[in-house]
Formats: sequence, structure tokens, C-alpha cells
Amino acid sequence: GAVVSQHPSWVICKSGTSVKIECRSLDFQATTMFWYRQFPKQSLMLMATSNEGSKATYEQGVEKDKFLINHASLTLSTLTVTSAHPEDSSFYICSARRSGSSSGELFFGEGSRLTVL
Amino acid sequence: GENVEQHPSTLSVQEGDSAVIKCTYSDSASNYFPWYKQELGKRPQLIIDIRSNVGEKKDQRIAVTLNKTAKHFSLHITETQPEDSAVYFCAASSGGSTLTFGKGTMLLVSP
Repeated sequence: GAVVSQHPSWVICKSGTSVKIECRSLDFQATTMFWYRQFPKQSLMLMATSNEGSKATYEQGVEKDKFLINHASLTLSTLTVTSAHPEDSSFYICSARRSGSSSGELFFGEGSRLTVL
Repeated sequence: GENVEQHPSTLSVQEGDSAVIKCTYSDSASNYFPWYKQELGKRPQLIIDIRSNVGEKKDQRIAVTLNKTAKHFSLHITETQPEDSAVYFCAASSGGSTLTFGKGTMLLVSP
């Protein structure tokens, strides 16, 4: 099966600091990865689409300078929350689509719970 | 863009009963409809999916039906068990584009 690993699974940081979350496809290449944010008892909200070797595409209302995305290889995308504030506390989940696949199937990471004090 | 509506938001059933969750979508070009199960604090897990070239798909106690004309699809769980309790999300996409998720249904199966 296709495995996506996300790290760290949880992180606590002070307000004003930056936090980096990694999303890795372990046994397949992923040209495209997606970053979601999920608040308690709510659905997954797409933040951005990460494309290997190019700039990420951000959804409306998502600040690209605050949520920096880098997809430097076919197996790794990173999300950096810059100058984090308590309102950034949330569950962040990545997903990946196998390169060359037109099926639409996504494989999700375990999620990263961010708490900003 | 695509808009996916999901109902109900919560569903309580007794163990052994059936559960049905319904979704509608707006983009007639959508051709891929997965269903995910998410337990608290964990990643969404794909439980079943259907493509627009079929009307129904079944996998043991889980089935999904698709009505392209009406643009709605449903998840059916028979003989529910307490371990089926979770949040279920429907989603839709077209041509390998991004998935649009419904708002989720919290299913509670009581023993």
C-alpha cells in the first residue's frame, strides 16, 4: 500500500515562533501533495496544493507568507507556519497523490496537532 | 468550483441497524467519489470509492450508490458495530483534481 508519513505528530510552541511540518511519501513518488487544516468537529479545509519543483497554489483566504510550502523532491513536502499565534492552533494533515495517477485517490498522513501558547 | 453537501451531520443508531449517509455535489464533471472514515485525532482512512462509470459498489457491510443524473451519492453501512463509530466524510473530484470534502457525519453506534 501507499504510505504517507507526517512529522511531528504533535508540537507545542510559543507565540511568534515558526514551526515546520514534514510530509513524506514513503513508498511512492508524489508530484502533488495537499495540505489541509482541520478544526475540532469540522471537515478538512484545503489550504494549498503543493507541486514538486514549483510554487504552491494557495486557496482563497490562506496567507502564503504565513504558511510557507516547499516541495523540493518527489517524496517530501514541508509546511512552515511562520510567526505562529494561538489562532493557528489546529490539526494539520497532508495528503499525496501517486505520480502519474489519474484515479484521484489520495493517501493521508497521520496529521500534526499544533498548539501555540 | 465544486460544492459538496453532506447529511446528516450526526447519526445515532443501535448496533445491528443500518446507517445511510447522503451527499450531493454540484460539478457535473466530477467523476470520483471516495468516502473516508476518521477516528478522533487520526488520519482519514479510505473505506470505499466509486467512479462515475458505475452506479453501485459493495464491499462486505459497506456499499456506495451513485446517481449521476441527480448528482448525489450515498454510503450504506449494514449490521453496524460499535467500532463503526467515527466521523465519515464524502468527497468529490474530477479528472484527478483536488478533492472537495463534505462537512462530515458523526456516526455513533450504541451497543
